Amino acid sequence: EVQLLESGGGLIQPGGSLRLSCTASGFTFRSYGMSWVRQAPGKGLEWVSAINGGGASTYYADSVKGRFTISRDNSKDTLYLQMNSLRAEDTAVYYCARTPSAGGHDAFDIWGQGTMVTVSS
Amino acid sequence: QLVLTQSPSASASLGASVKFTCTLSSGRTNYAIAWHQQQPEKGPRYLMKVNSDGSHTKGDGIPDRFSGSSSGAERYLTISSLQSEDEADYYCQTWGTGMVFGGGTKLTVL
Repeated sequence: EVQLLESGGGLIQPGGSLRLSCTASGFTFRSYGMSWVRQAPGKGLEWVSAINGGGASTYYADSVKGRFTISRDNSKDTLYLQMNSLRAEDTAVYYCARTPSAGGHDAFDIWGQGTMVTVSS
Repeated sequence: QLVLTQSPSASASLGASVKFTCTLSSGRTNYAIAWHQQQPEKGPRYLMKVNSDGSHTKGDGIPDRFSGSSSGAERYLTISSLQSEDEADYYCQTWGTGMVFGGGTKLTVL
């Protein structure tokens, strides 16, 4: 079964750091682009960052550029999001999502169940 | 700038049909989009990809009641024979240098 499982969310103070992980199973991980998408409480979906299958190309939304870093370890079938200088407005459920294009830009065809990040003092 | 526009809400009766519209920003009439469903308290689920020529590719297990179409800068999702579990938020998504979501449409099944 094709599956994505996020972990690493939690409560963090403003200015702090957190690393999210997304473990993939049921498909050849390195052949697919991956993204992080977030959803603030009561709001819509917001794309955060994307990475191509090989990990060499990365893309960011303006709202997180310079603070968040996306990466992947294809030997571990795992996607990461390192989040630094966190702000209250980063509070959201964070989803990882797969794109069928190795380049990373395409429809999201598989979604994880999400992990909650709360930034609050 | 790549923007997707959706109506905030829609409603239809049990057993009826409903058609959602996602409008691409000016000059983007050749873009494909994807439709995603998010039921209450759940993560999103991929429904289908809709191309500019109206052809569409559905995700695994998506019922035949769900279909996609296209006209100019508009992309559509139609759900027929509405069921109670179709009550959800529906988002369109496209891609350029980054990924873009529409604001979502909340469907109420009466």
